[in-house]
Amino acid sequence: GQQLNQSPQSMFIQEGEDVSMNCTSSSIFNTWLWYKQEPGEGPVLLIALYKAGELTSNGRLTAQFGITRKDSFLNISASIPSDVGIYFCAGQGTNAGKSTFGDGTTLTVKP
Amino acid sequence: GAVVSQHPSRVICKSGTSVKIECRSLDFQATTMFWYRQFPKQSLMLMATSNEGSKATYEQGVEKDKFLINHASLTLSTLTVTSAHPEDSSFYICSARDPSTGGYSPLHFGNGTRLTVT
Repeated sequence: GQQLNQSPQSMFIQEGEDVSMNCTSSSIFNTWLWYKQEPGEGPVLLIALYKAGELTSNGRLTAQFGITRKDSFLNISASIPSDVGIYFCAGQGTNAGKSTFGDGTTLTVKP
Repeated sequence: GAVVSQHPSRVICKSGTSVKIECRSLDFQATTMFWYRQFPKQSLMLMATSNEGSKATYEQGVEKDKFLINHASLTLSTLTVTSAHPEDSSFYICSARDPSTGGYSPLHFGNGTRLTVT
């Protein structure tokens, strides 16, 4: 089946630093999604991308849908302690019902 | 935005008993809902697709008799873990799409249910 490779697996950064994480796939996706999950809670949607090449921002977060439709990145600028959590990418293919998730990037922000 | 509510948030049960988890779409109707399972420090693994008015579709390796799914209305799906054992202890999360936002609308997740089987 479809698999996503998400990297890095974890990041330890200082407050104020910028963060970048990405996902790649061997398959084409029609939609790329980025979620954040905090301990004991369900994932919360951060950004949804629907077109190849699309660049979308949500506050300090920026994500792009790769032109090949096989990759996406998420950037967080000027990180703050509340950015701590696990970030997941997800791709939706031609079967719009299912989403494939990356393994997550665990972000730790030191004040 | 689309809201998915899941209940209970935590449950502890004894081995051999059954546990029911509810998932509701609060401000939209969902003909399809998805049930995921997540182990500590791991990603979300799709267990099954819940279809309103018809049988659920289970992913390979998921026992349908163990994890009973019922989607009796357009706003409610339930997952029942039957004859639970300690290895069933996990974080179960449901999700759904708001169909009014288009065919590729994103999944919205409930807050998850932490199941502990003793």
